[in-house]
Amino acid sequence: KAGVTQTPRYLIKTRGQQVTLSCSPISGHRSVSWYQQTPGQGLQFLFEYFSETQRNKGNFPGRFSGRQFSNSRSEMNVSTLELGDSALYLCASSSTSGEGADTQYFGPGTRLTVL
Amino acid sequence: AQSVAQPEDQVNVAEGNPLTVKCTYSVSGNPYLFWYVQYPNRGLQFLLKYITGDNLVKGSYGFEAEFNKSQTSFHLKKPSALVSDSALYFCAVRDENYGQNFVFGPGTRLSVLP
Repeated sequence: KAGVTQTPRYLIKTRGQQVTLSCSPISGHRSVSWYQQTPGQGLQFLFEYFSETQRNKGNFPGRFSGRQFSNSRSEMNVSTLELGDSALYLCASSSTSGEGADTQYFGPGTRLTVL
Repeated sequence: AQSVAQPEDQVNVAEGNPLTVKCTYSVSGNPYLFWYVQYPNRGLQFLLKYITGDNLVKGSYGFEAEFNKSQTSFHLKKPSALVSDSALYFCAVRDENYGQNFVFGPGTRLSVLP
């Protein structure tokens, strides 16, 4: 099976702009989670989607939002970008059944740089 | 609330020697525990997990981890380290009652010296 894919891999934006990141989960996985990774804060949970519904949300401002489509692909959007939003954004998918159930499998990430 | 601690920022070990990367956790319910490895500019790769059953869990690339409920620990081990094991290692916990909300530790950088 193909792994989790994320596009784009790199992005450079300026403050105040908005950005949309995309994630395609492993085929058959219906849960998609997003994380922000920075050197100072480590890996922080943003939100999780399951069957097009947000099931869990981390402690991030409302500028961070996401959605999931019927084919389980997910997007996350960050509006009004700030310098502190520069990070590696990781997407992970998981299944609710089978041997890999309850395990999150990560994509390569999108490196966002805000200037 | 869930939390994970990795008490060592950096672990150095000589190639061929055994390695241990430490992890302790705190959850309110039963823990689901995971180890991931991250290479530079890459996402996280799954190594192994403990959900239930045997306390000693074997995973990818010769790694194993031991679940100790009384000490709330889940240390990662490998009998003989390779230079290629040098990477950033993350321990993660999920409380069975909190969906897919994983909490990750701060990471431990492992350096295996030739």
